[in-house]
Amino acid sequence: NAGVTQTPKFQVLKTGQSMTLQCAQDMNHEYMSWYRQDPGMGLRLIHYSVGAGITDQGEVPNGYNVSRSTTEDFPLRLLSAAPSQTSVYFCASSLSRTASSYNSPLHFGNGTRLTVT
Amino acid sequence: GESVGLHLPTLSVQEGDNSIINCAYSNSASDYFIWYKQESGKGPQFIIDIRSNMDKRQGQRVTVLLNKTVKHLSLQIAATQPGDSAVYFCAENLGQSGAGSYQLTFGKGTKLSVIP
Repeated sequence: NAGVTQTPKFQVLKTGQSMTLQCAQDMNHEYMSWYRQDPGMGLRLIHYSVGAGITDQGEVPNGYNVSRSTTEDFPLRLLSAAPSQTSVYFCASSLSRTASSYNSPLHFGNGTRLTVT
Repeated sequence: GESVGLHLPTLSVQEGDNSIINCAYSNSASDYFIWYKQESGKGPQFIIDIRSNMDKRQGQRVTVLLNKTVKHLSLQIAATQPGDSAVYFCAENLGQSGAGSYQLTFGKGTKLSVIP
């Protein structure tokens, strides 16, 4: 198993450009989510999905869209990039949709480092 | 809003000593807590978790202690090794919505440096 795979690893955008950050998992995980990590802020939840066709907003959803057409993929779309979206983005998945089992912790990918100029 | 925080932003320990990383949480309704380790350039790596119906849980060289009375969480690493050098995050699960889904709130992290 590859685990959680994120692409690209690095990206530079100009203000106003759009792009999609890709996330795929091959563990048949039900739950997937996106976090952003900023210095001094820890990780903050952007959007999450508890299964194919179901998405919901997290703590900081503005400026981002998601969709979950398959169990494996959970892309994050930046509609019109802004410098405030410069961050490291992490995708994470879990076997269970709830934090109810010791056997289904949240697994993270290695991140996409995005710079918006 | 409520948040998870850490008492110490940095911690230096001698190789072979035990390390203790502390975390305070403020949401008394949180029922699940996790510790993650993050090395430079990588994503957070799961270390150990604990539910609120327990006060202690042990893994390989790691122990998590939960004190619900004072809303405190700690991670103990036995016989700290150079490979333990990283940033450690605690997180609480605030997934109390109707979906009951994972919604972790992370602390800001503690950097552990192991002195050879």
